[in-house]
Amino acid sequence: KNEVEQSPQNLTAQEGEFITINCSYSVGISALHWLQQHPGGGIVSLFMLSSGKKKHGRLIATINIQEKHSSLHITASHPRDSAVYICAVRLGFTSGSRLTFGEGTQLTVNP
Amino acid sequence: NAGVTQTPKFRVLKTGQSMTLLCAQDMNHEYMYWYRQDPGMGLRLIHYSVGEGTTAKGEVPDGYNVSRLKKQNFLLGLESAAPSQTSVYFCASSYQGGLKREKLFFGSGTQLSVL
Repeated sequence: KNEVEQSPQNLTAQEGEFITINCSYSVGISALHWLQQHPGGGIVSLFMLSSGKKKHGRLIATINIQEKHSSLHITASHPRDSAVYICAVRLGFTSGSRLTFGEGTQLTVNP
Repeated sequence: NAGVTQTPKFRVLKTGQSMTLLCAQDMNHEYMYWYRQDPGMGLRLIHYSVGEGTTAKGEVPDGYNVSRLKKQNFLLGLESAAPSQTSVYFCASSYQGGLKREKLFFGSGTQLSVL
């Protein structure tokens, strides 16, 4: 079993829909990252969470430490949101400790 | 600011050839990382560095070497390339500001094919 599981693997939505991508992990962590990988391959950091909730524009990320679960929500989705969304967890307590990455969720938003 | 710059963007090697991938960052970050990305798998850490002159092994270090002679540069070397090293390689860096201020910055990736 992977230490980080993302669901769904693939998601297709219509423009304007509310989208949720889930990330579950099996061990205690010190931080969780959400990343976006563009169709061209570049990777951008969206959020880093250790507790609670963060919001940036139409993106909202939440984490429940007790349930070992995080969600990434996109409100009023747009075709430009089409990308792979990657969850990564930090298993240790220093920046040098290893990040473990999920396989990613491929999101396609149709106009 | 350029952020994190990787070179080259594409490379084709024959089995047994050697090459070096260069990663440069202009953000004065302490931490730098090399990852590989393969289909159906998450990014995996090859080697990382927590400061100039220091390096450490990650999850999949075999067949790779690294050097961090200058704070802004992190080099990844393949001494004798193998087809199993065909992958997309990403360099990343982060600020040593404690976990609550950590943000990762990635390079644009290097597509490497080993024939």
